[in-house]
Amino acid sequence: DTEVTQTPKHLVMGMTNKKSLKCEQHMGHRAMYWYKQKAKKPPELMFVYSYEKLSINESVPSRFSPECPNSSLLNLHLHALQPEDSALYLCASSPGREYTGELFFGEGSRLTVL
Amino acid sequence: GEDVEQSLFLSVREGDSSVINCTYTDSSSTYLYWYKQEPGAGLQLLTYIFSNMDMKQDQRLTVLLNKKDKHLSLRIADTQTGDSAIYFCAERKAAGNKLTFGGGTRVLVKP
Repeated sequence: DTEVTQTPKHLVMGMTNKKSLKCEQHMGHRAMYWYKQKAKKPPELMFVYSYEKLSINESVPSRFSPECPNSSLLNLHLHALQPEDSALYLCASSPGREYTGELFFGEGSRLTVL
Repeated sequence: GEDVEQSLFLSVREGDSSVINCTYTDSSSTYLYWYKQEPGAGLQLLTYIFSNMDMKQDQRLTVLLNKKDKHLSLRIADTQTGDSAIYFCAERKAAGNKLTFGGGTRVLVKP
């Protein structure tokens, strides 16, 4: 299994809602990442988990809350988002230590905030 | 300015070669990467090159690295319609070891 699976593929939420994005990999990778990608822009790093511990938070607003329950799962909890948070949210994983550039990406969750 | 720069768009005829260019600013970059993103999908790693190499070939893909000019290119031989996508170059810096993406080059392959 060489896939990173993200659910849901599409999510529409209001500014007062609470929702979660989920990511799963079964490649035995020990680093997992959340990226945000706006249209026609490159991905921007949000968070990195290494060995289930948060190692990088790129000054992301607290309305985004990551969670890594185990080495295969990564969640992104969303609360009180703004319309400008609408974007494609990409999960990625990498083998071995963190910070490698050899990332395996999921298909993404497209989020629309109304 | 941007750390990693790419041209925005490239149009090529099916069967021709495509060359996508990228410039970076950090001479301490250790690895340089090419990722492909098809519409509505995530990024797929195509190939990478270590900074002490000049060239790497992998089937239809050839990566050239000019460290002096901080210039990276990706050549796709015999370009197919399935190669239509956005191509991102990325650098991994020695300091901080974070991945920095270029803005992406949209490649359109015409039949």
